[in-house]
Amino acid sequence: ETGVTQTPRHLVMGMTNKKSLKCEQHLGHNAMYWYKQSAKKPLELMFVYSLEERVENNSVPSRFSPECPNSSHLFLHLHTLQPEDSALYLCASSLWTGRDQPQHFGDGTRLSIL
Amino acid sequence: GENVEQHPSTLSVQEGDSAVIKCTYSDSASNYFPWYKQELGKGPQLIIDIRSNVGEKKDQRIAVTLNKTAKHFSLHITETQPEDSAVYFCAAFLDGGSQGNLIFGKGTKLSVKP
Repeated sequence: ETGVTQTPRHLVMGMTNKKSLKCEQHLGHNAMYWYKQSAKKPLELMFVYSLEERVENNSVPSRFSPECPNSSHLFLHLHTLQPEDSALYLCASSLWTGRDQPQHFGDGTRLSIL
Repeated sequence: GENVEQHPSTLSVQEGDSAVIKCTYSDSASNYFPWYKQELGKGPQLIIDIRSNVGEKKDQRIAVTLNKTAKHFSLHITETQPEDSAVYFCAAFLDGGSQGNLIFGKGTKLSVKP
């Protein structure tokens, strides 16, 4: 139990579908993150939220739309995805953003685009 | 650009032997270096971290060393056990201004043979 829960664990969708990934943290943290993990590539930071405000967006295509309604919940809305978007999507949280803050990860959502 | 290099990509050891994984980074301002263990079907789990004001940190069979001058840090696992088999990631905060971006190495797949 990492304190960061992601649902669903697996998702298969067509390129024209719309779906959402959910992340919830029970650690009392104020910062949340979305990462993409693809085979044979380093983890890629997608979005950073601090106190529900987006503070980082690493040139992610607009077909990925994040939402952070409060400091415990984070969503990633997906629409019109491409096959290359198939990957493991990881959510993480930390007490604050900053250069020395440990990040704690959930177990991810395995996304497959048909 | 800013990055973290990790070696080796795969490592196979006999149970009871030691394992060493090495990482180099490019940003001399980095001050926090976590290590993560990722088991199959799970997210990365923080196992140990080190800050730039110390050169070594130990936690039971795991130790991390940091050489800021040379800009490299290493993970040492002693008396390896089969349950140590996993993918290990090093990371460092690089650039990114006040928020910082946690940049990951590509990972080392460790196999411990009984």
